[in-house]
Amino acid sequence: GAVVSQHPSRVICKSGTSVKIECRSLDFQATTMFWYRQFPKQSLMLMATSNEGSKATYEQGVEKDKFLINHASLTLSTLTVTSAHPEDSSFYICSARSIREGSDEQYFGPGTRLTVT
Amino acid sequence: AQSVSQHNHHVILSEAASLELGCNYSYGGTVNLFWYVQYPGQHLQLLLKYFSGDPLVKGIKGFEAEFIKSKFSFNLRKPSVQWSDTAEYFCAVNPGAGSYQLTFGKGTKLSVIP
Repeated sequence: GAVVSQHPSRVICKSGTSVKIECRSLDFQATTMFWYRQFPKQSLMLMATSNEGSKATYEQGVEKDKFLINHASLTLSTLTVTSAHPEDSSFYICSARSIREGSDEQYFGPGTRLTVT
Repeated sequence: AQSVSQHNHHVILSEAASLELGCNYSYGGTVNLFWYVQYPGQHLQLLLKYFSGDPLVKGIKGFEAEFIKSKFSFNLRKPSVQWSDTAEYFCAVNPGAGSYQLTFGKGTKLSVIP
């Protein structure tokens, strides 16, 4: 199956700094990637839809100036958490949409654990 | 906006027991339905999906799910669980019609005791 990687897997940063998380589709091209956030014992909440070559579409309540998304190529999307605060600590998961061989499916990355101190 | 409810937070079963995990969604239109599994320390993987056609869907590893439109349900079943089925299971929907954005339930943790 298709593989999606995320880097880093874990990051600890100080309050006020910015953190960049990468999401890569390793063996397929993804025109659309998605960014989710997961709190402990909660479901994945869609934050934004990232489209290659265009601006991301953010879900209601998600600050686009705080969570900067760039989808510069067909295999890479990045999420930058700017001026991070402790309440941004969470598990961030990306997925990439693959369309091939008659199948249309999302493949998920392993997630990035962000801790803001 | 659509929402997804998973009734059980944590299910504990012995090996060979039968499994049924509940999933209900709220959305008035056509939906695509999914079950994902997350094994400990691993990423989400698709178990099965329903887009249209036969409402009884068979997935990987012996799992199946039945779409009952009148009940807005998409329950996951397996006749006989194994210890290796220990994982967290997420039900998800998207409204179809060209939308690929998924709305997830809170997940059900399944623990299978050998």
